[in-house]
Amino acid sequence: GAGVSQSPSNKVTEKGKDVELRCDPISGHTALYWYRQSLGQGLEFLIYFQGNSAPDKSGLPSDRFSAERTGGSVSTLTIQRTQQEDSAVYLCASSSRRGSGYNEQFFGPGTRLTVL
Amino acid sequence: AQRVTQPEKLLSVFKGAPVELKCNYSYSGSPELFWYVQYSRQRLQLLLRHISRESIKGFTADLNKGETSFHLKKPFAQEEDSAMYYCALKAGGYQKVTFGTGTKLQVIP
Repeated sequence: GAGVSQSPSNKVTEKGKDVELRCDPISGHTALYWYRQSLGQGLEFLIYFQGNSAPDKSGLPSDRFSAERTGGSVSTLTIQRTQQEDSAVYLCASSSRRGSGYNEQFFGPGTRLTVL
Repeated sequence: AQRVTQPEKLLSVFKGAPVELKCNYSYSGSPELFWYVQYSRQRLQLLLRHISRESIKGFTADLNKGETSFHLKKPFAQEEDSAMYYCALKAGGYQKVTFGTGTKLQVIP
């Protein structure tokens, strides 16, 4: 089947505007992760979902960032009042259950966000 | 807190030379360690994980708990190995994965 998909692939916005980034995980994958990839910063963990709940939101940089997941499938990452430092590639990944743990993460192509 | 350190941002080697990408971690429990790779214009993908003790594309990595290291090695580099490599750590029984800042491997023909 299809892999993880993300939309839009590119987003240019003005400082202060809100943006929504979408992630469609692989069908049947119960775990979903959001990361931010900035130049020279590697991958920064933002949040992960187990089903529709988010046990760990510790990586969200500020209260301007929020995420939700509905129906155990699609997830949306929302950034309110965007700032220039929010410019980055936002990656989504999903994984399936394996015993008491989870299998490898499968990554989407990312959304490149540019805040002017 | 868990942390992953990849000290080299860029590693350039000649084709046929041995490769070692360094990764050190800090975590008090029993971690799971991974190497992910991102080829040009492709998605990030799993290369190997320590619990599998496998060799993928000629790469191997051994978890050294004494030195808290998980270096990635290949005896003879190939041009197609040029990519960005990320070391990652998952705490046992916990789903958060911590990535290092990555090392760009450049194999010179």
